[in-house]
Amino acid sequence: DQQVKQNSPSLSVQEGRISILNCDYTNSMFDYFLWYKKYPAEGPTFLISISSIKDKNEDGRFTVFLNKSAKHLSLHIVPSQPGDSAVYFCAASDTGQNFVFGPGTRLSVLP
Amino acid sequence: NAGVMQNPRHLVRRRGQEARLRCSPMKGHSHVYWYRQLPEEGLKFMVYLQKENIIDESGMPKERFSAEFPKEGPSILRIQQVVRGDSAAYFCASSPPGKTGGAYEQYFGPGTRLTVT
Repeated sequence: DQQVKQNSPSLSVQEGRISILNCDYTNSMFDYFLWYKKYPAEGPTFLISISSIKDKNEDGRFTVFLNKSAKHLSLHIVPSQPGDSAVYFCAASDTGQNFVFGPGTRLSVLP
Repeated sequence: NAGVMQNPRHLVRRRGQEARLRCSPMKGHSHVYWYRQLPEEGLKFMVYLQKENIIDESGMPKERFSAEFPKEGPSILRIQQVVRGDSAAYFCASSPPGKTGGAYEQYFGPGTRLTVT
């Protein structure tokens, strides 16, 4: 029973274009959401967070959108760069402490 | 400015041996989390600890696995009598204390890759 789903295992985008990574969740109690990037053989790196009191949070090239009614969030990266190629995980929590992670989406940014 | 430290980075154990994985949180962080990542899967929460306390161990297998975060020293994840299915990457994360509202961003270590032969 996956509470956090990332239905696209992989995504390819041309350099300079927008990357949109999607995440859906089933638990309506989730109030806190994080996005992480992970390179092979490294730990995940925190990217950006959002809580349910907001519907958008922006940090540089990264923007996270939250649609609570649809239980859906997305990460937008614009413009995409080759160094963005990695696996992206979304994570959700109802307490802000114990997070449930999605299975990840592998992003490839093509030069 | 050291981040989350984990050692060893790679650990090989034979079936039946014990595995001890260590995690030193970032300076000033008092919350530690352990996650396991099986091949081709996402991270699965195992346990959340604060100093000398286990806060949430809902993701820990009921047998053979234990975790501690003593007053002094690193957090330890211990796996007794390892089996092949324990082979995975084990990640530790830490977060700062006392944040009111919002998410506790967790900062991850590089992981320990356990191989059981």
